[in-house]
Formats: sequence, structure tokens, C-alpha cells
Amino acid sequence: DQQVKQNSPSLSVQEGRISILNCDYTNSMFDYFLWYKKYPAEGPTFLISISSIKDKNEDGRFTVFLNKSAKHLSLHIVPSQPGDSAVYFCAASEGGGSEKLVFGKGTKLTVNP
Amino acid sequence: NAGVTQTPKFQVLKTGQSMTLQCAQDMNHEYMSWYRQDPGMGLRLIHYSVGAGITDQGEVPNGYNVSRSTTEDFPLRLLSAAPSQTSVYFCASSYTRKAPHATDTQYFGPGTRLTVL
Repeated sequence: DQQVKQNSPSLSVQEGRISILNCDYTNSMFDYFLWYKKYPAEGPTFLISISSIKDKNEDGRFTVFLNKSAKHLSLHIVPSQPGDSAVYFCAASEGGGSEKLVFGKGTKLTVNP
Repeated sequence: NAGVTQTPKFQVLKTGQSMTLQCAQDMNHEYMSWYRQDPGMGLRLIHYSVGAGITDQGEVPNGYNVSRSTTEDFPLRLLSAAPSQTSVYFCASSYTRKAPHATDTQYFGPGTRLTVL
């Protein structure tokens, strides 16, 4: 059974608008969440993370929101740029670190000029 | 700093052949891991290591062996390749969560694309 779910395989937005990528999890022991960005033929690169003691973390154009009661997190990209077009993976772990990550299936974001 | 390097980038094997995927990191990270990514799937953990001489199984370990004789290297061995092992393999490394200088993410290599015929 999938412990981390990204139910939207793809998302298309216009340049300058907001992109919202969603992620749900089922394991209540997860306490650390990360978003990775992946371009074709490259390895995933870290984007932003959030600990379960917080409900929001910002880094420039990227903000991650965590709703522990709903077991839901989302990544907001504002404003979206064509270079943001990539596959975004949500990942989670137990124990507060980035070890033994459990990944979602990914959402392919396309930002149209 | 080369980060995490993986060789080869591409490999084609016949069923039953064996091979070793190489992974090396120059960041002095204690933690290293191997993931596989299949079409339409997220990355799944194969094996991991929290330091030299220590390895453990992840979610999908069957058909793979690992060893960790040095901090820098973490090779992944396919003992008898099967078509189900056709995938893209990623190696990653990080400090362990107990390290005083722990960072909050794993760093991934560029991947090895393996095809088993």
C-alpha cells in the first residue's frame, strides 16, 4: 500500500501564475517531509523540506504547507517560471532526518510561457 | 567537489548476467542508499548503509547485494539479472540524522539506466 500519494500525475500552469502540487500520506509516524525536483536524465535535486513541528516553510518562490491532521502537504510555487517545468516528488521519513525516504509517484509540472 | 557519481550511465545486460553498479561520494557522508525508479513510480529504496561495514535492506532488496568497505563507495551488485530489474538506479548520500552537522536532505547521483533483455 502506498504510504505517500501524489494523486495528480500532471499539472499545467501559465507562467507567472501559482502552481500547487499536492501530497497525501498515510503513515502517522512520518515526521519529516521533502520535495524534490527532477529533470529528465538527471537525479532528483532537493527543493524544500518541512518538519512535523511546523506547518509552513518558505524558501524564495517555494512554500510548503503541512496539515498534520489531514496528513496532507502541498508545495506552492509563486510565480511559476518555464524553468520550473519538471517532475516533482514528495518524500517522507521517520525520525526527523532524510534517511530511508518514502517517495510518491511524482507530478509532472509544465509551465507554459 | 564532484558530489555523488555513478557509473556506468547506461548498461544493457542479458538475463542471468551479473554486474556491479558503482557509486561514490566525496562529501564524507556516513549515510548512502540505492533507489530504483520505474515508469510511473516513485523512487523505491533497495539497500542503505549508515557507515562503513553496516548495511541494511530497504523496501525492494531481492536480487541485489551491497557492501560498504569505505565511507566513499557503495556498490550495488546484481547477482543474476532479470528483466524485472530493468530500471533507472539512483545512488544517494547524506549525513546521518545524529551528526552534529547534519543537513536536511539526501544528495542524488545522476542515475544508471539498466536494461535487462
